[in-house]
Amino acid sequence: QKEVEQDPGPLSVPEGAIVSLNCTYSNSAFQYFMWYRQYSRKGPELLMYTYSSGNKEDGRFTAQVDKSSKYISLFIRDSQPSDSATYLCAMSAAGGSYIPTFGRGTSLIVHP
Amino acid sequence: EAQVTQNPRYLITVTGKKLTVTCSQNMNHEYMSWYRQDPGLGLRQIYYSMNVEVTDKGDVPEGYKVSRKEKRNFPLILESPSPNQTSLYFCASSPSRGDEQYFGPGTRLTVT
Repeated sequence: QKEVEQDPGPLSVPEGAIVSLNCTYSNSAFQYFMWYRQYSRKGPELLMYTYSSGNKEDGRFTAQVDKSSKYISLFIRDSQPSDSATYLCAMSAAGGSYIPTFGRGTSLIVHP
Repeated sequence: EAQVTQNPRYLITVTGKKLTVTCSQNMNHEYMSWYRQDPGLGLRQIYYSMNVEVTDKGDVPEGYKVSRKEKRNFPLILESPSPNQTSLYFCASSPSRGDEQYFGPGTRLTVT
């Protein structure tokens, strides 16, 4: 079992839909949780960053962390065609070596 | 403009011919990392550096070398490239451990 599991998709939704992207993990030491967006032929860019549990909102994006279930989510409200990209979750532990673990990414397609 | 730059962006080479991919950041970040991204495998960390002259192995360091002689630069060296190192490579920098990473635009390497 991989440390971080993420459904690769593709996930296809109509414009305006609420999108839910998820990752599960097995390492209880993870404390930092991040979501990156990667457009085709580009490097990943940070969308959301959360430390420990809880929710964080930024515009149309909401990140949730449930450490008891080892489950993180990214919600996108009022999705737009420009949101079409691959979304990567990433997480790392507070101590030890600095090796963030990435999910494989979920491909999202928002069609007009 | 705050950014991470990589050169070259595209490279086709032959087995055994030494090459270097450069990475530079202008944000005065302590941490820098190299990743490779392969279909179905996601982003995997090759090496990271926590500061000048401090480097350590990531998940997949075999066949790669790095150096950190200056804070802004973190070159990736392939002493004897092999076809299994054909991949998309990303350099990233971060202000401190656990924080968000800023990725470069990527280098697509093909080894024949």
